[in-house]
Amino acid sequence: DQQVKQNSPSLSVQEGRISILNCDYTNSMFDYFLWYKKYPAEGPTFLISISSIKDKNEDGRFTVFLNKSAKHLSLHIVPSQPGDSAVYFCAASSAGGTSYGKLTFGQGTILTVHP
Amino acid sequence: DTGVSQNPRHKITKRGQNVTFRCDPISEHNRLYWYRQTLGQGPEFLTYFQNEAQLEKSRLLSDRFSAERPKGSFSTLEIQRTEQGDSAMYLCASSYRQGTGYTFGSGTRLTVV
Repeated sequence: DQQVKQNSPSLSVQEGRISILNCDYTNSMFDYFLWYKKYPAEGPTFLISISSIKDKNEDGRFTVFLNKSAKHLSLHIVPSQPGDSAVYFCAASSAGGTSYGKLTFGQGTILTVHP
Repeated sequence: DTGVSQNPRHKITKRGQNVTFRCDPISEHNRLYWYRQTLGQGPEFLTYFQNEAQLEKSRLLSDRFSAERPKGSFSTLEIQRTEQGDSAMYLCASSYRQGTGYTFGSGTRLTVV
């Protein structure tokens, strides 16, 4: 039961262009969403998050969009840089009860930014 | 703030042996989580502590797995009678509240041979 799905295993973009990473979820109880970046042999590093009361959150080159009706979110990176090459994970959580703070992750998307 | 620290970084063990991993969270964080990540997958939730109380355990956490967080500080994850299927990256994270400062450690990579 994959509640968070990243259907694109990999994405390749040219330096300076936009990278768009997509994520779909099925659990309507999810109300907080996060994106993490992961390099090999390191733990995931937090990038940006969004609450379900918003539809957009921006932080520098990173913007996350949330479409609740479609249960879809996306991460936009503009402009893309070679140092952005990593695995990107989408994660979701729901407030309340003992699951507070537990994250459910997607499978990840490998982003490669070519110089 | 030195981040979330996990030890050891790598562990190779023979099948059937017991192993123990340690996680030191960010000091002011009262929530601590354990996740497991296998190749090609995202991290999967194992268990969660708020202070010293273990509030939730995943079905993934079989009877061979036990986690503790004495005094609400560091945490240990023990795997008894390891199996080859236990080979994975074990990640620890800590947070103060939902979405705030949810920080992962670098993980412990376990290889069972």
